[in-house]
Order: sequence, then structure tokens, then C-alpha cells
Amino acid sequence: EVQLVESGGDLVQPGGSLRLSCTASGFTFSSHAMRWVRQAPGKGLEWVSAISGSSTTTYYADSVKGRFTTSRDNSKNTVYLQMNSLRVEDTAVYYCARKSPEGGGSHDYWGQGTLVTVSS
Amino acid sequence: EIVMTQSPATLSVSPGERATLSCRASQSVSTNLAWYQQTAGRSPRLLIYGASTRATGIPARFSGSGSGTEFTLTITGLQSEDFALYYCQQYTNWPLTFGQGTRLEIK
Repeated sequence: EVQLVESGGDLVQPGGSLRLSCTASGFTFSSHAMRWVRQAPGKGLEWVSAISGSSTTTYYADSVKGRFTTSRDNSKNTVYLQMNSLRVEDTAVYYCARKSPEGGGSHDYWGQGTLVTVSS
Repeated sequence: EIVMTQSPATLSVSPGERATLSCRASQSVSTNLAWYQQTAGRSPRLLIYGASTRATGIPARFSGSGSGTEFTLTITGLQSEDFALYYCQQYTNWPLTFGQGTRLEIK
């Protein structure tokens, strides 16, 4: 069974940093690109970042470019989101999601999400 | 950036009836479109990819159609668990973008 479990969400002050983790199981992790998607309270879904299976390619939304970095450790089946210079508007539930192997750029499995709150 | 616009924002339909949700792209995305369902407090679930292909385990009452800039998600014989939020997402270009969602509520 495919499982994605996020962790690392917390309350942090504006300007602070946080690292989220997403640990995968139930599939060959290194063969799949992974994404981070966030959802602000009461709002819709916003794609944040993407990383290829071998880490050779990464993409970022303009809203986080230069502040967030995504990486992965295939030996630990884990993808990370390093978030620096956090802003109030980064407050959201952060989901990791697997790129569907059949569905192009769609996401076939999602974690349960981890809440990041940026507030003074 | 490709802007995805969903309509209506809220759709009220009776159980057992049909619901038709729309998604429009600001430029052609071919059939690189997915639909997701999100129930309260839960993670999104992939329903449709490639505009019309049901994801694994998705019931046949869910169907998707369209190409280019106009897409439709149709749900027939609505069941209680279908009343939720629905999002479309394009994956033709970076950045990946989602629509703002349609809330399907019980009439």
C-alpha cells in the first residue's frame, strides 16, 4: 500500500525557517517524481515545488522561488521542503504528493498534510 | 501561467441526480488535465487524469470530458459521499495550476 507521511509542520515567526519531511512507502520511491502542494486555511490548492526521481530537476512556484528548496534522499525514501524567510502568507497545510506514473503531471497519492503556521 | 477557472463556485444537486462541473483554461492544455475530490479535513483524491481517464478505484459514475480549454466533470447518480470540493489541475506547463474549486452541496 502506498503511503506518504509528512512531518515538520509547526508555528514559526515571520522570517524564520522550517524543514518539512515526507516519508514514502509501498512503492519504488526513486522512480517517481514528487511534489509539494499547499492549501491555505479555507482556500484552494497551490502547487509549490517538484523534484524528479533522481533529483536532477526541480521546479518552484514564483511565490516561493529563492526561499524554498526541495530535495530528496532516496536511501531514506524521503523528500524534503526547506522553507526559509517564511511569510505570514506561507501559512497552510503542506501536502506531499506523488506524480502519477500513468497520469502525466497529475498526483495519484497524497499525504495527510502538515500544518505550517507563520505568525508573530 | 495558465489560469484555470472553475464554475460554478457552488453547485446544489439532489442525491441521485447528475452534477456537471466545468473547468476552463486560459490557453490550451490539450488533454493534460486532472480532477480531484476533497472532502472536509481530508487530502485530495485523484479522480480523472488525461481529461477523461478514471484513476484506479474511481467509480464509473465519475466521467471527464473535454480538450483544449474547456473541460467537464460529470457525476451521475450522486451519492452522499460525493458532496465535496472538486478541483481541476493542468499539467501542460509549469507552473502547475489548479482551479479555485467547485463546492458540490446537497440540495
